[in-house]
Amino acid sequence: DADVTQTPRNRITKTGKRIMLECSQTKGHDRMYWYRQDPGLGLRLIYYSFDVKDINKGEISDGYSVSRQAQAKFSLSLESAIPNQTALYFCATSELGTRGGPSGTDTQYFGPGTRLTVL
Amino acid sequence: KNEVEQSPQNLTAQEGEFITINCSYSVGISALHWLQQHPGGGIVSLFMLSSGKKKHGRLIATINIQEKHSSLHITASHPRDSAVYICAVDFGNEKLTFGTGTRLTIIP
Repeated sequence: DADVTQTPRNRITKTGKRIMLECSQTKGHDRMYWYRQDPGLGLRLIYYSFDVKDINKGEISDGYSVSRQAQAKFSLSLESAIPNQTALYFCATSELGTRGGPSGTDTQYFGPGTRLTVL
Repeated sequence: KNEVEQSPQNLTAQEGEFITINCSYSVGISALHWLQQHPGGGIVSLFMLSSGKKKHGRLIATINIQEKHSSLHITASHPRDSAVYICAVDFGNEKLTFGTGTRLTIIP
């Protein structure tokens, strides 16, 4: 079974709808991330969480919100979807623990991605 | 500004050729990662390095801190190596900044 799972894998929705993308991991990692990928652009960080009580905005957080329900679960919400949020979304985890602990990034483990289309 | 640039953007080679993909970055870093994105979209971490060189099978990653440059080499390339290779850098803020990727196609 995959260590990092994302649901749904594909979603087509309409402008203005609320959408939730879910990520679950069985790796026992504290750190979780949400990225989006657009053609011709690198992955960009939306939100990240270093533990259940530590959630931070990334470079493109406008229009998104997140919830860290447990160590293993990190959900991304689009409150009112718009067409330019059409993209491939990835969840990732890494092992290093809370802020103030060992510095620097560790190997990141990615989910399979969710392809979201907003019409 | 923290930037990551990869070259080339696209690379096509014959099976068996030695492949080099380059990554340059703008300022000092904590770590540099090389990732592989399969044609189906899945992303796998290949290497994380902060100095020197790492090798795994036919893949070799090197980094030159003074020149702010890293290379990913593939020896004896094979069609199954066809993928997008992504460089990502931690500029000391515990987050990754990603390059736009190099699309590699190996022709049998």
